[in-house]
Amino acid sequence: AQSVAQPEDQVNVAEGNPLTVKCTYSVSGNPYLFWYVQYPNRGLQFLLKYITGDNLVKGSYGFEAEFNKSQTSFHLKKPSALVSDSALYFCAVRDRLDSNYQLIWGAGTKLIIKP
Amino acid sequence: KAGVTQTPRYLIKTRGQQVTLSCSPISGHRSVSWYQQTPGQGLQFLFEYFSETQRNKGNFPGRFSGRQFSNSRSEMNVSTLELGDSALYLCASSFGEGYSYEQYFGPGTRLTVT
Repeated sequence: AQSVAQPEDQVNVAEGNPLTVKCTYSVSGNPYLFWYVQYPNRGLQFLLKYITGDNLVKGSYGFEAEFNKSQTSFHLKKPSALVSDSALYFCAVRDRLDSNYQLIWGAGTKLIIKP
Repeated sequence: KAGVTQTPRYLIKTRGQQVTLSCSPISGHRSVSWYQQTPGQGLQFLFEYFSETQRNKGNFPGRFSGRQFSNSRSEMNVSTLELGDSALYLCASSFGEGYSYEQYFGPGTRLTVT
């Protein structure tokens, strides 16, 4: 079955330190991968996507993600965390069954950046 | 550009009733997707509409249905409500269909079934 795993429910990082939010996937064919962020009392917002091309993808707010085909991973990273990065982060992968597409979402990782 | 709007923002219904939720996409976007978000199940895909046609569908029962109008606005209907339907229902619009493009989400409709 197609799936997305975010192995950490919560990640704690000190402000100024690098952060990584992990995502692994299982999907047949070439994956379309996405990261979204949900701030408190605000809607889900798109951060970045990988469809093809360079394995390192740059997105909004200084975030980037690295696609690793051999490890089936798409980890989200940022060199220097800000307190304002505290939010809920979701990884998603496009799944295709026959001619039906859908996005499969991870359970989400709560990122807490401490001053 | 105005964002995705959803109405109503909050709704309380009784078991057995039906409910209709509305979503207005970003101008120029022709794809509208619906999701259910709950603490236990997370984000689950309901369906996607593009050019007034349902193009993709998740694994929800037939009680959940939708439609899209010529102006790309979409409605979602849930009939014979169950307690388990209590959730945040999110609508997202996108330029194209099939999830190659990023989606823009509305604030959601919080549905409580009593």
